[in-house]
Amino acid sequence: EPEVTQTPSHQVTQMGQEVILRCVPISNHLYFYWYRQILGQKVEFLVSFYNNEISEKSEIFDDQFSVERPDGSNFTLKIRSTKLEDSAMYFCASSEGLAGGPGGELFFGEGSRLTVL
Amino acid sequence: AQSVTQPDIHITVSEGASLELRCNYSYGATPYLFWYVQSPGQGLQLLLKYFSGDTLVQGIKGFEAEFKRSQSSFNLRKPSVHWSDAAEYFCAVGAGGSYIPTFGRGTSLIVHP
Repeated sequence: EPEVTQTPSHQVTQMGQEVILRCVPISNHLYFYWYRQILGQKVEFLVSFYNNEISEKSEIFDDQFSVERPDGSNFTLKIRSTKLEDSAMYFCASSEGLAGGPGGELFFGEGSRLTVL
Repeated sequence: AQSVTQPDIHITVSEGASLELRCNYSYGATPYLFWYVQSPGQGLQLLLKYFSGDTLVQGIKGFEAEFKRSQSSFNLRKPSVHWSDAAEYFCAVGAGGSYIPTFGRGTSLIVHP
């Protein structure tokens, strides 16, 4: 069964460092998403991406964050200068169609745990 | 904006017992509703979804959920819980123009033998 894969599974970094989290969405999917979950809190939407541009983003997704689809398979989340409060589990997801529409079911990866010291 | 409340942080049941996990949403119109499950070390897996039509929705792994508009609820049920059902369960609502799901904080299900 096709799946969304994420790397690394766990990354530890120093405050102020840049971090890139990588995702390989399901191959025929066109819509891509990043969510995060701070320990003990809700799963929060960060950003959605379609046709090589951001289609929607939340208030959390400020100038410190960026997303990119550098090639035909990877979808990355970059945090430019990490802060302690960026420590969280980051989930990548993809969908074949627009969320809520036909084929709009989100498929999630297993997550990348980011620890900022 | 839409929101989701899962009032129970932890639920403990005995294996073989029935289960109901609560979910309430806030949104002016009929939203799209989802239940996801996350087993330890795994990603989020869709259990079931409600878009329209029959308000009782059947999902995978023997789960079902009922949409009750009058109560703004979408509770998840299972008649007989198995030890392998121990996991984190997330209710989500999709609404507004994009229908991108907004998640609740999750309910952790503990199953006693």
